[in-house]
Amino acid sequence: ETGVTQSPTHLIKTRGQQVTLRCSSQSGHNTVSWYQQALGQGPQFIFQYYREEENGRGNFPPRFSGLQFPNYSSELNVNALELDDSALYLCASKTPGPNEKLFFGSGTQLSVL
Amino acid sequence: SQQGEEDPQALSIQEGENATMNCSYKTSINNLQWYRQNSGRGLVHLILIRSNEREKHSGRLRVTLDTSKKSSSLLITASRAADTASYFCATTPSGNTGKLIFGQGTTLQVKP
Repeated sequence: ETGVTQSPTHLIKTRGQQVTLRCSSQSGHNTVSWYQQALGQGPQFIFQYYREEENGRGNFPPRFSGLQFPNYSSELNVNALELDDSALYLCASKTPGPNEKLFFGSGTQLSVL
Repeated sequence: SQQGEEDPQALSIQEGENATMNCSYKTSINNLQWYRQNSGRGLVHLILIRSNEREKHSGRLRVTLDTSKKSSSLLITASRAADTASYFCATTPSGNTGKLIFGQGTTLQVKP
């Protein structure tokens, strides 16, 4: 049990639509990051938020955006969905300080048809 | 593109045997971690080894790190059927805290 919860667990969308995925972290975890994991691959870093500001981004286009809220919850928004966006989306949080250990949620499985 | 390459991609052993997985990476790192994932669910942190460490143990897990070869290995001793999962190495590039770069993973099957 990591204390990180994600919703929904599964989602089906059609190409061109927009989607919002949600994550709730443990109290005190002020850094949250999002990862995309395609089938059979390792997770790929999308971006990271610290104290409600983006402070790191991977190789993802601007239609991937996020928000972090003061209550340790966060969102990942994806606009203009493409078929290749079908993947498991993982939220991860960590405690303040130099500890790099991440606590992952169980993910949202997104299917784009 | 992902930094890590893991070897083998798949491994099948009998319960009680040892399992060894290898990971290679491309750039200098602050640390290297190993995570476990069951059936496409969330990842669970197993162990972290810092760039100035060469070996670390945690229960049945032994991790080594060779920064000159940019490689790491994870050894699971006395494996159990419950160890069946995918295992990923993940590196934190030097000067870039928070972002993890994952390998493609090794799928381990432990047969009872």
